[in-house]
Amino acid sequence: QVQLVQSGAEVKTPGSSVTVSCQVSGGTLNKYRHGISWVRQAPGQGLEWMGGIIPFFGGAHYAQNFQDRLTLIADTSTTTAYMEVRSLKSEDTAVYYCVRDVMYTTWHTFDYWGRGTLVTVSS
Amino acid sequence: DIQMTQSPSSLSASVGDRVTITCRASQSIGIYLNWYQVKPGKAPKLLIYDASHMESPVPSRFSGSGSGTDFTLTIKSLQPDDFATYYCQQSYTTPCSFGQGTKLEIK
Repeated sequence: QVQLVQSGAEVKTPGSSVTVSCQVSGGTLNKYRHGISWVRQAPGQGLEWMGGIIPFFGGAHYAQNFQDRLTLIADTSTTTAYMEVRSLKSEDTAVYYCVRDVMYTTWHTFDYWGRGTLVTVSS
Repeated sequence: DIQMTQSPSSLSASVGDRVTITCRASQSIGIYLNWYQVKPGKAPKLLIYDASHMESPVPSRFSGSGSGTDFTLTIKSLQPDDFATYYCQQSYTTPCSFGQGTKLEIK
């Protein structure tokens, strides 16, 4: 059974950075059909895809809204993915989910989800 | 980017009811439409992928249909565990995008 275990809640000040980790157990990160995406949910809002990485190919894709301040990496040796968001604003307060991104016929089917990491940005 | 619109945004129903949630895409997305169930404090759950394929082990009372721009999620006979928020999501193109959610509440 695949599990995605995320790091704990964070409280950050505006302008700082946050890194959230996501360890995959019961699976690998080095199959060409599997990637890791990150999805966030701000309070009272819906789900928003931020970006994804396919460790087998080594490349990451970012949503336009996050292009300049998001970095995604994956360490296949430890089956751990990381998300760094820089220049945090209060509007970045949200629960951040790592998700396994599976290519069935297209990418972005999210078959396993972490339980989420709450990031609070406040002065 | 493709916009996804769900309706209704909230729905009150009773145990045993049949409910239908609709999702419309701003352009054709073929069959590349997924449905998720989200409950507070729990990891969201994939219910249906590619419009009508059930993820295992989702109960058979859930079903999905549609293609092109219009899709539906149907729950045949609501159970207490089904009260949650449901999201559709297009996986046709990057960036993928979600509907705004449908909150299903107990009447």
